[in-house]
Formats: sequence, structure tokens, C-alpha cells
Amino acid sequence: DVKVTQSSRYLVKRTGEKVFLECVQDMDHENMFWYRQDPGLGLRLIYFSYDVKMKEKGDIPEGYSVSREKKERFSLILESASTNQTSMYLCASSRGEGNQPQHFGDGTRLSIL
Amino acid sequence: KQEVTQIPAALSVPEGENLVLNCSFTDSAIYNLQWFRQDPGKGLTSLLLIQSSQREQTSGRLNASLDKSSGRSTLYIAASQPGDSATYLCAVADNNNDMRFGAGTRLTVKP
Repeated sequence: DVKVTQSSRYLVKRTGEKVFLECVQDMDHENMFWYRQDPGLGLRLIYFSYDVKMKEKGDIPEGYSVSREKKERFSLILESASTNQTSMYLCASSRGEGNQPQHFGDGTRLSIL
Repeated sequence: KQEVTQIPAALSVPEGENLVLNCSFTDSAIYNLQWFRQDPGKGLTSLLLIQSSQREQTSGRLNASLDKSSGRSTLYIAASQPGDSATYLCAVADNNNDMRFGAGTRLTVKP
């Protein structure tokens, strides 16, 4: 079974802090994704990556950056956290060929105070 | 830009009832459609994936249908159980691996 692991289930940070959310997958997937989920808005894509050291902006990249130094790990970075970034963050991965289903982690519920 | 809508936003049914969840999308040029289940505070679990060339997929008590021309998919749950209570999301993917999600239907099955 595919395992996508997000390092924290719950995280509380303060406004202005630099925040790192980590995601690791164990199936050698090429593609990795970061979404945020807010009530009534569904999932929105922040950034994605098709390969190591490669990144592409999603629909809402502002205020975020990402890092993919190794194939199995995809990090989401909040450069200077703000209260409007309080949300549920979901990481996903998929195989690279064709259009393969995405497998999701359990999410990180982030609160910015 | 693809838009995905799920109606109703919430649904409450008694145990044992058969039910249908609806998903509609605006652009019929899709690659596949996927139904997910999300329990409170958890990530998404894939239930069924329908490729654009398929009309339906079945898994146990779940059956998902796809009508690309009308931009609709339904998730049919037979003989519902309290353990089916969760939020159900549908997501539509295009040829570029761009996946668009609906906001979900929150299902409660009462014992």
C-alpha cells in the first residue's frame, strides 16, 4: 500500500514565523502535490512537483514556497505565516506516467495565531 | 477552468437506506473522475476511479457512474451503515494531471 506521511497532524504557530510542513512518500512516486482545504472551498492546489528539484505553481501559491531535494520528500514552506493561512494542509503523491490516481496523507491542521 | 459542484452539501439518512450523491462538472474533456472519502480530521481515501472511457465502477456497496456528455457523476451507496458517515468528495482530472475537487457532501447515517 502507498504510504504518504505528513510529519505533524496538528501545528500551532505565530504570525510572522517561518513554518515547514513535511511530506514523505514511500512508493517512489514522481509526482507530489500540496493542497489546502477550507470549509466550502474544497481542496485548492498550492504547488506541485513532477521531479526532484522541480516545482510548479498551483492555483494559490502566494505566501508559500516548496522544496523537493529528494524524490520521496516534498516540503511546503510558509515564509512568514499569516492568520489567513490557518487551514488543513494535505499532501498527495502519484506515479508519473499517464494520469494516475493521487494518494493522500492524513493532513496537517495548521493554526496561525 | 473546470468547476466541480457537489449537491447537497450535507445529507442525513437512516441506516439501511440506499442513497445517491451527485457531482457535476463544467468541462466534459476529462481524463478521469475519482470519488474520495474523508473522515473528520483525516486525509482523503480513494474509493473509486472512473476513466473517461468508462461508464461506471463498482466496489462492494458502492457504485459510481459517469456521464461525460452531461458533466455528471453519481455515487450510489447501497444499504447505508453508520460507518459510512463521512464527507465524500469528487475530483475531476484533465490530461495534464490537473485535478479539481468539489467541496464535498457530508453524509450522516443515523442508527
